[in-house]
Amino acid sequence: KNQVEQSPQSLIILEGKNCTLQCNYTVSPFSNLRWYKQDTGRGPVSLTIMTFSENTKSNGRYTATLDADTKQSSLHITASQLSDSASYICVVSPTSGAGSYQLTFGKGTKLSVIP
Amino acid sequence: DSGVTQTPKHLITATGQRVTLRCSPRSGDLSVYWYQQSLDQGLQFLIQYYNGEERAKGNILERFSAQQFPDLHSELNLSSLELGDSALYFCASSVGITQGYTFGSGTRLTVV
Repeated sequence: KNQVEQSPQSLIILEGKNCTLQCNYTVSPFSNLRWYKQDTGRGPVSLTIMTFSENTKSNGRYTATLDADTKQSSLHITASQLSDSASYICVVSPTSGAGSYQLTFGKGTKLSVIP
Repeated sequence: DSGVTQTPKHLITATGQRVTLRCSPRSGDLSVYWYQQSLDQGLQFLIQYYNGEERAKGNILERFSAQQFPDLHSELNLSSLELGDSALYFCASSVGITQGYTFGSGTRLTVV
């Protein structure tokens, strides 16, 4: 069964500090991996998307890494801000076929940045 | 504004009733996806439409149905509502496989 496991479940950090969120997946065959940010009660917003051949992708203070051999990804947030408080969701695409595909979502890591 | 429009934003209804949620995809996107997110749960895939045709089904209950119209907007119909159907319902759209999904802001459904 395709699964995406994220850790930690929740995290509290001080403003200005860095943090790293983890994602392990068992989805196979693997097409791409995405990280989304979801503010409470809002729709998820895409941060990064990586194919199996990419090792790292940055978007401002967000840097995602991918190790397709160990099926692990991480999202590193640098110099955290209060606005980074949100759930961060790891999403894996199991197919590369056109038209029809289902993404497998992790349950997310809830990040709280405190002053 | 993500470009994916969902209406209404909030909906409160009684058990046993039927509701319709609407989604307008981002301009140029042919695929529409519906997701359910219960409290503190991950997003659960319900159904996908591509250019008017159903392409994939997830854990969608028989009481739920959806369709995509020629103008590409989509509707999710929920009937015989139960308390457990209370959730956020998200619509997302995409052009292809390698581009990211774009999510709407969601419809918060409360069944009382």
